[in-house]
Amino acid sequence: ETGVTQSPTHLIKTRGQQVTLRCSSQSGHNTVSWYQQALGQGPQFIFQYYREEENGRGNFPPRFSGLQFPNYSSELNVNALELDDSALYLCASSIDRAETQYFGPGTRLLVL
Amino acid sequence: QQQVKQSPQSLIVQKGGISIINCAYENTAFDYFPWYQQFPGKGPALLIAIRPDVSEKKEGRFTISFNKSAKQFSLHIMDSQPGDSATYFCAASDEAAGNKLTFGGGTRVLVKP
Repeated sequence: ETGVTQSPTHLIKTRGQQVTLRCSSQSGHNTVSWYQQALGQGPQFIFQYYREEENGRGNFPPRFSGLQFPNYSSELNVNALELDDSALYLCASSIDRAETQYFGPGTRLLVL
Repeated sequence: QQQVKQSPQSLIVQKGGISIINCAYENTAFDYFPWYQQFPGKGPALLIAIRPDVSEKKEGRFTISFNKSAKQFSLHIMDSQPGDSATYFCAASDEAAGNKLTFGGGTRVLVKP
């Protein structure tokens, strides 16, 4: 059984650019949640996708957007990057929005 | 609004000792309380979890104690080992709200040999 995978592992962008991060959910999981983890802090919920529909959003501006595909993989897009967007971006997958979520290794984004 | 408060921020314990991490929550709708372990450069890994109808849950060297009236829960790591050195996060979620996890700020645990 393959766990949650994310790509790329690291990324460097400049302020104002756009970025797309990718997540492949664990086999059989139809729910993907995205979290932002700033250095030295706990992860913060960005949004959740369930069966290709957005199912809840945290306190993040509209320039954070996402998609979920028919195979339940997901993308996180961030437009107009700001310095404060530098963080580890984590995705977690689960079955039918269940409480047990399995995290991927994350993508480390640095905005210069 | 920080809905889950975690303490201490860091902890040093000798090998074989007990590590204790505490969390307090505000939202009474929370109905699932997991603990995650995170090593540097890795994603959080689910360690153990509890529901509010249970006061204690033990899995190996890890025990969660839960006090619903006080809205507090804690993680005890017994017989701490150097390999337990990591950052630990408590979290909480509400099934009616789709189980989005709200995390505490984390506790960095260092186990000295």
